Amino acid sequence: EAQVTQNPRYLITVTGKKLTVTCSQNMNHEYMSWYRQDPGLGLRQIYYSMNVEVTDKGDVPEGYKVSRKEKRNFPLILESPSPNQTSLYFCASSLRVSNQPQHFGDGTRLSIL
Amino acid sequence: GENVEQHPSTLSVQEGDSAVIKCTYSDSASNYFPWYKQELGKRPQLIIDIRSNVGEKKDQRIAVTLNKTAKHFSLHITETQPEDSAVYFCAAHKNWMYSGGGADGLTFGKGTHLIIQP
Repeated sequence: EAQVTQNPRYLITVTGKKLTVTCSQNMNHEYMSWYRQDPGLGLRQIYYSMNVEVTDKGDVPEGYKVSRKEKRNFPLILESPSPNQTSLYFCASSLRVSNQPQHFGDGTRLSIL
Repeated sequence: GENVEQHPSTLSVQEGDSAVIKCTYSDSASNYFPWYKQELGKRPQLIIDIRSNVGEKKDQRIAVTLNKTAKHFSLHITETQPEDSAVYFCAAHKNWMYSGGGADGLTFGKGTHLIIQP
């Protein structure tokens, strides 16, 4: 089954404790992206990747890092999480470019205390 | 960069009636406009999309119209049913090649909570 898989689905942690949210897709998609969703703000792009070893900042990249060492994986790294990063995070992928249908993962709800 | 405004934020309609959600965008270079439906606690799912070379697209009870001159696009749902209740997001594709650089991806509206009254 074609899918985008995120882990963990839920995480409660404390300020400053490094964490990684993994994202994996099995559709051989080139384009992958991370979004955060906050009430009343919609989805905002954090980082994106157009292919292996090609990543770039989205609209709200501060406090986040990403890597794209393999085509299928695009982890989101919070080196020193802070409470303002408490949010619902979605990973998405599309075949080649961002102006094609994007497939979203099931989301990761992060709470930073 | 791109800015997408979506209205209304909440829309309540009687079952069987039509619902219309409107979005405006700022970047005239945007060329792709998808609509996503998000049910409570679930991921956004694409329901329909339209490209800038097309003025209207229809898929059963759902249609999208695009006015490039005015830079607005709308989602139309006819014969609404209880399962249409959800949050709907419009988005516009930022074409980084023609927008002087910057991020490549979708800019989303803030969402419309559609409530279908029985």
